[in-house]
Amino acid sequence: DAKTTQPPSMDCAEGRAANLPCNHSTISGNEYVYWYRQIHSQGPQYIIHGLKNNETNEMASLIITEDRKSSTLILPHATLRDTAVYYCIVRVDSSNTGKLIFGQGTTLQVKP
Amino acid sequence: KAGVTQTPRYLIKTRGQQVTLSCSPISGHRSVSWYQQTPGQGLQFLFEYFSETQRNKGNFPGRFSGRQFSNSRSEMNVSTLELGDSALYLCASSSSGNSYNEQFFGPGTRLTVL
Repeated sequence: DAKTTQPPSMDCAEGRAANLPCNHSTISGNEYVYWYRQIHSQGPQYIIHGLKNNETNEMASLIITEDRKSSTLILPHATLRDTAVYYCIVRVDSSNTGKLIFGQGTTLQVKP
Repeated sequence: KAGVTQTPRYLIKTRGQQVTLSCSPISGHRSVSWYQQTPGQGLQFLFEYFSETQRNKGNFPGRFSGRQFSNSRSEMNVSTLELGDSALYLCASSSSGNSYNEQFFGPGTRLTVL
């Protein structure tokens, strides 16, 4: 079973920041938070991951609370192409497995 | 660099038949994972192969099997197809050498069982 809880859906206006929350209250000390997204009819795409520090890349920012029980993915300037299902996943960062356990994710609808 | 490719993209079979799906990982990647996606169950992990050996397996019946070749290409087979096997089958590859083990997904094979 997935170890994360996400709202089933969210709306965001084009050009505004999209803030997608994720709860992972049972996360272990060696588990990372990963975010993937799946645009309709495509395979999931990696976005970002982090352990306890905030992370930023060209796609998004990841804010992890100090107690690590929740996190927020931020898309700073959402576009219509960001409409997708966003998955928050916790996993041990190990080279010994490629297994990902997906939850139901959040469907983000970016509106013009 | 070419991405993960899956063939065929679409497939229609009837109950009781078997099917083989193929996945070619990104060049240099040694890990290939397979997932099943359905509207009811979402994305579920099937199995993972690394260097021609299965190293992880999800909770699926024995009708689902796979293998990996020396060039890292992978196939999965589903025997005695059931209506419930209709799904999008995704494969993902990773180098397993990256510090964060990013998974790169293919576009999937859409299987319809009639």
